[in-house]
Amino acid sequence: KQEVTQIPAALSVPEGENLVLNCSFTDSAIYNLQWFRQDPGKGLTSLLLIQSSQREQTSGRLNASLDKSSGRSTLYIAASQPGDSATYLCAVWDTGRRALTFGSGTRLQVQP
Amino acid sequence: DVKVTQSSRYLVKRTGEKVFLECVQDMDHENMFWYRQDPGLGLRLIYFSYDVKMKEKGDIPEGYSVSREKKERFSLILESASTNQTSMYLCASRRDRGPRETQYFGPGTRLLVL
Repeated sequence: KQEVTQIPAALSVPEGENLVLNCSFTDSAIYNLQWFRQDPGKGLTSLLLIQSSQREQTSGRLNASLDKSSGRSTLYIAASQPGDSATYLCAVWDTGRRALTFGSGTRLQVQP
Repeated sequence: DVKVTQSSRYLVKRTGEKVFLECVQDMDHENMFWYRQDPGLGLRLIYFSYDVKMKEKGDIPEGYSVSREKKERFSLILESASTNQTSMYLCASRRDRGPRETQYFGPGTRLLVL
């Protein structure tokens, strides 16, 4: 059974710092990996999707990488801003089932 | 833009009540999902559906059932609500199983069972 782990569970940084969020998964047979953002009390918004054949995806200040063989992904946020404060979740769509498996998230606080 | 809507943002029910949570998507997606989200446990899949009248159990289906009579609507039913079903419920949809497809989420329903 696929398991997804995110480290750290919480992170607090001053504004302007570059930071890295980590995600690992146990079964490398995946179709894709997605990073989501969730604001308090709200639903999830998709940030980046990396297909299994890709190594990375970029959107603005966000860059996500995927190393499928080692079961790892990182989300890099450049020049963090207070508006980046949210919980970030990664999820994998594996070949064994028809739904995403989620990590428990990293809660990010960017201090002004 | 894909829109996934959920019938209620907040709901308060009593133990033993039958509860219906409704989810509607407007992009003709085949796949729809119900998750619950609890602190420290992340999102856990309750049920999903890949076609009208089709359903599959997720990781935690006990105490829940679902209905998908129309492609755009996926309902989650708590037959007899219990306090341990107090949670945030999130609905999602996705076009198909292809590797390029993104999953879209509704705003969530926060359910309190007293």
